[in-house]
Amino acid sequence: QITLKESGPTLVKPTQTLTLTCTFSGFSLSTSGVGVGWIRQPPGKALEWLALIFWDDDKRYSPSLKSRLTITKDTSKNQVVLTMTNMDPVDTATYYCAHPTYGDTHWGQGTLVTVSS
Amino acid sequence: EIVLTQSPATLSLSPGERATLSCRASQSVSSYLAWYQQKPGQAPRLLIYDASNRATGIPARFSGSGSGTDFTLTISSLEPEDFAVYHCQHRSNWPWTFGQGTKVEVK
Repeated sequence: QITLKESGPTLVKPTQTLTLTCTFSGFSLSTSGVGVGWIRQPPGKALEWLALIFWDDDKRYSPSLKSRLTITKDTSKNQVVLTMTNMDPVDTATYYCAHPTYGDTHWGQGTLVTVSS
Repeated sequence: EIVLTQSPATLSLSPGERATLSCRASQSVSSYLAWYQQKPGQAPRLLIYDASNRATGIPARFSGSGSGTDFTLTISSLEPEDFAVYHCQHRSNWPWTFGQGTKVEVK
């Protein structure tokens, strides 16, 4: 059974850096072809892929947010970490961890991050 | 970046009616198009992948069609649990993008 769970702060101040951790089970990020990524959804708005990291450490970033994002993996801990710098109130959203596979996408439950002073 | 445009924004229908949702891509995504259902407070659930393949456990009343730039999700007869928001998403190239969603609401 594949599970993913996001953890991190629920409230950050403007200009701060957000660090979110995805802890997963049921698969290994050392297996060929495997990837884990982050998606966010502002309240009442569309979903947006932020970043994706693959088993071989290939990384993909949203072009509009690339300068602010870093995605890393710790295969031994089954974790993927996303950092986003210079947070702004418009970054308030539910952040999801996701594991895309052929024929399915496994999602975490999501974590609401509010950016406010 | 490929832009996906969903229409209509809101679809007001009654249980038992047929729902037809559209997703149009700004350039060809071949058949790399998926449909998700999302209910309030929940993560999206995959319904259709590669334009027309139902995901595991998805009822047969959900079907997808299309290729290139024009795609359709059809719900043949709406059940009470089908009233939700539906998103399309492509995986043709990076960045993968989503449409803005279509809300199917009770008329």
